[in-house]
Amino acid sequence: DAGVIQSPRHEVTEMGQEVTLRCKPISGHNSLFWYRQTMMRGLELLIYFNNNVPIDDSGMPEDRFSAKMPNASFSTLKIQPSEPRDSAVYFCASSLVASYNEQFFGPGTRLTVL
Amino acid sequence: KNQVEQSPQSLIILEGKNCTLQCNYTVSPFSNLRWYKQDTGRGPVSLTIMTFSENTKSNGRYTATLDADTKQSSLHITASQLSDSASYICVVSASRNYGGSQGNLIFGKGTKLSVKP
Repeated sequence: DAGVIQSPRHEVTEMGQEVTLRCKPISGHNSLFWYRQTMMRGLELLIYFNNNVPIDDSGMPEDRFSAKMPNASFSTLKIQPSEPRDSAVYFCASSLVASYNEQFFGPGTRLTVL
Repeated sequence: KNQVEQSPQSLIILEGKNCTLQCNYTVSPFSNLRWYKQDTGRGPVSLTIMTFSENTKSNGRYTATLDADTKQSSLHITASQLSDSASYICVVSASRNYGGSQGNLIFGKGTKLSVKP
């Protein structure tokens, strides 16, 4: 298995632009997570899905952020409009449904908003 | 307030030496505690996961301990190697597993370990 796949690996954009991050979870996993990591705040859980359904989006910072999971093999995290404070590394992770199951992280997308 | 505190913030050791990283948490109800290793520029990789009934778990040269009474965990690295240089993140799950929910994960800010030759 190729593991969790994220694209793009790096994204540089200007303030106000729309940004879409993509994730393909490990085949067979039915939980998917979006995280944000910064030096100041560390890793933060933004949202997670079970069986394609959003379960908890309380970590999503504001309405500019939205996430979708149209099917079991694809998810997007969209920021519209982007702001410089959104600059961070965004990770996607997947696991089997159970609170104790291991989460497998993708390589991350480094987002820079100028 | 649910919190996870890790210490030290950073650590430099010589290759071959042992070290211990600490994680203290104030999370309730406690479900499980995980240690992750994150290499620079990569995603975190799970080292161990422990539930409240487990007090030690090993993964090669990594040994994690858990004291649910004092709400402390440690990660001990034996005979360190240059490849152990990374950030180590402690994550505590605040919910039981019901209905398949992943619950509330509280992350520590990590300990940055540098192993020097």
